[in-house]
Amino acid sequence: GAVVSQHPSRVICKSGTSVKIECRSLDFQATTMFWYRQFPKQSLMLMATSNEGSKATYEQGVEKDKFLINHASLTLSTLTVTSAHPEDSSFYICSARLGDDNYYGYTFGSGTRLTVV
Amino acid sequence: GQQVMQIPQYQHVQEGEDFTTYCNSSTTLSNIQWYKQRPGGHPVFLIQLVKSGEVKKQKRLTFQFGEAKKNSSLHITATQTTDVGTYFCAGARSYNTDKLIFGTGTRLQVFP
Repeated sequence: GAVVSQHPSRVICKSGTSVKIECRSLDFQATTMFWYRQFPKQSLMLMATSNEGSKATYEQGVEKDKFLINHASLTLSTLTVTSAHPEDSSFYICSARLGDDNYYGYTFGSGTRLTVV
Repeated sequence: GQQVMQIPQYQHVQEGEDFTTYCNSSTTLSNIQWYKQRPGGHPVFLIQLVKSGEVKKQKRLTFQFGEAKKNSSLHITATQTTDVGTYFCAGARSYNTDKLIFGTGTRLQVFP
């Protein structure tokens, strides 16, 4: 089945530093990947859609200069949280879908728990 | 914007009891998906419903898509402790859309 690998699984960083999170599709090509953010005991909020070879599409209210997304290849998308602050602490999850439609659903990475101190 | 609400927010049941979560969208959906997220884990795809009034079963789980394609439900018969987790519905406005909006989730706790 489709596997999405996400690294790191957990990161603690100091305020003002940047953190890069990687999301890889291991056994399939993903022209589109999605980045979500999840606060404790809450739902997943779509942050942006990452498109291979073009600019990411951000959801309303998400700062594109703060959350830099790069989708340089068909199997890798990265999310960089720039100048992180404690309020950026959250669970970040990426996902991709196998195929051109929603038949197989979305496959999620294992998530990255970011703590900014 | 599009909103997808789920009720109840939280439910705890005794093992063996049934459980149902309801999902309601503010807009008509092309399809709806259901995911399960275990505590500390990531969402795992369960099923997708596409047709109006569609009903699908997976062992003890029964999924329904409303006639108006704005609501859905997930029913678990005779819950087990392995059913513990948060169940999310997620809707898309078109079959090929890249955008999936998640419901608010229902957290299920099963006591042995």
